[in-house]
Formats: sequence, structure tokens, C-alpha cells
Amino acid sequence: DTAVSQTPKYLVTQMGNDKSIKCEQNLGHDTMYWYKQDSKKFLKIMFSYNNKELIINETVPNRFSPKSPDKAHLNLHINSLELGDSAVYFCASSPGTTADTQYFGPGTRLTVL
Amino acid sequence: GENVEQHPSTLSVQEGDSAVIKCTYSDSASNYFPWYKQELGKRPQLIIDIRSNVGEKKDQRIAVTLNKTAKHFSLHITETQPEDSAVYFCAATDGNQFYFGTGTSLTVIP
Repeated sequence: DTAVSQTPKYLVTQMGNDKSIKCEQNLGHDTMYWYKQDSKKFLKIMFSYNNKELIINETVPNRFSPKSPDKAHLNLHINSLELGDSAVYFCASSPGTTADTQYFGPGTRLTVL
Repeated sequence: GENVEQHPSTLSVQEGDSAVIKCTYSDSASNYFPWYKQELGKRPQLIIDIRSNVGEKKDQRIAVTLNKTAKHFSLHITETQPEDSAVYFCAATDGNQFYFGTGTSLTVIP
């Protein structure tokens, strides 16, 4: 009965590599999000996306790019990984096309060495 | 844009006591205020929410109050239990963007 799922759960990689994190929701929601949670536990929104609009947090480096093959999936691709990218990344979804209750995935802990 | 401030950043209470976490927001257009609980190593999960047409909402031991005039809302947990220990996040949205507070780490001491 998994509602929002992410893979992988853990990701350890070297600086400079390119990696992707996958997210899927089976709730029929219209909007999906990516958040970064750093070591201080701050939840920072990176992107929100519905089938019409991509909203990008202007502070997110362009090395990060969301890719949505369909309404149920929003993957996060990261180029040229840096040490500071180490964090837990959460995918989330919400019903409708306006910001509302967020349902979070289990998170992906990314460690860049 | 919206600015959500949350206090305190850490809170320790004795089991059975009450805990109160407060948030302020800046955008009067914000109309939805959820609270999330994040246990260690887990995902944030919604525990209670309130919309701008309501002043107070209660669900068993947790309650949320909203003061639109002062632009602040609070989470109240009564009869705290060790399993209430977690990080709590408030959030605000006007329907366009979601803004989270910086989190409160609550520890309930048995």
C-alpha cells in the first residue's frame, strides 16, 4: 500500500559523478515535489511540478534537474555531484494543482565522498 | 514571499506535561497551516492541520490554534508520552508554494 516510494534508499557516490533518484506515487495526485533535508534538519523545497508547470526554487543549482515521464513519477537527476549535496532527499506529492497536504516518500540518503 | 518562523528549536518536557510549539508567518494570503512530525530516520508525516476559516482544531492529545490577525499558529500536545519525541515542522501555504518552519526537536523525558 506504498503511497509515495523512492529508490534508492541509500546512495553513496564519488564527487563529480552523475546520479538519479526515482520517485513514484500511486495516490493519483497532480503535483509532486522534491525536498532537501540537510544535517540541521531544515526542509528546503527544490522543485514542485504538475502536468502544467515546473516551479524551481531559484537557489537550487542547475546541476539539479527534475524529470517527469508521467504524472505518477518525478525523478531527480544530479550532475557533477559535490560534497555539499550530501543530504536526505524527500519526494512528496499533493492532490490538486495547488500546494496542499504533502505526502512524503521515505527519503534517499545521499552521501558524496 | 512567505517567511515562516518556528520556536523553540529544541524543547524538553517531562512525560505527562504539555508541549507548545509556535510559528509565525508573514503573508496574509496564507490559508492552510499543517503540522508534520518526523521521527528519527523517518519521513515527515502530517499530524494535524488547520485552514484559515477555523481558529482551533483538536485531535485527541494534539491541538492547533490559529490567530490570523497576529499571523501565528501553535501546536499543543497534552499528556506527552515518550513516543511524542520527534522533530515537528509547521508549514504555511497560500496554494502556490509550501513554506516549512525550521523545526522543533521535542524530547519527552520518561
